[in-house]
Amino acid sequence: EAGVAQSPRYKIIEKRQSVAFWCNPISGHATLYWYQQILGQGPKLLIQFQNNGVVDDSQLPKDRFSAERLKGVDSTLKIQPAKLEDSAVYLCASSFQQKANYGYTFGSGTRLTVV
Amino acid sequence: AQSVTQLGSHVSVSEGALVLLRCNYSSSVPPYLFWYVQYPNQGLQLLLKYTTGATLVKGINGFEAEFKKSETSFHLTKPSAHMSDAAEYFCAVTQGSSASKIIFGSGTRLSIRP
Repeated sequence: EAGVAQSPRYKIIEKRQSVAFWCNPISGHATLYWYQQILGQGPKLLIQFQNNGVVDDSQLPKDRFSAERLKGVDSTLKIQPAKLEDSAVYLCASSFQQKANYGYTFGSGTRLTVV
Repeated sequence: AQSVTQLGSHVSVSEGALVLLRCNYSSSVPPYLFWYVQYPNQGLQLLLKYTTGATLVKGINGFEAEFKKSETSFHLTKPSAHMSDAAEYFCAVTQGSSASKIIFGSGTRLSIRP
């Protein structure tokens, strides 16, 4: 089966600019996650979707980050305006069910550099 | 709240030597536990997981881990390291009774010496 697709792979922007990341999960996976992985740290959950509804966005900096999952398939994560500390890899993951006992399948990530 | 602690941010072993990566967790409910591997510029790949049943679980690439409830540990081992094992390894645990989210440790970078 095809994996989790993410684009772009790399992005360099100046601070205060905006940027968007795209994720296409594995077909049939109802649950989708966005994680932020800062260099040298483990991934940190930003937002969790179940179909097109938000389950948990408690760790999402809502003053600058937004995410949507229209039609319960693809998802986009946006940052506006970007700050230097947003430099990180943004990972998308999906799973068949909300319960995480099978683990997640991750995409290759988008590496964002804010200068 | 659940948490994961990985002891040692960097482990270096010789090729052919035993690999031991340590992970301790805290959880108020029976957890599901995972080890993921991340190669440079790639996403995370599931190595193995513990949900229920046998406490010694085997994963891909010859890795295994043992769930020890009394020690709240889930250490990752491999009898003989290969150069291709050099990567970042993350221990992870589900969060809450619904087990709908996974939280990750800070990672251990494994280096293999020729």
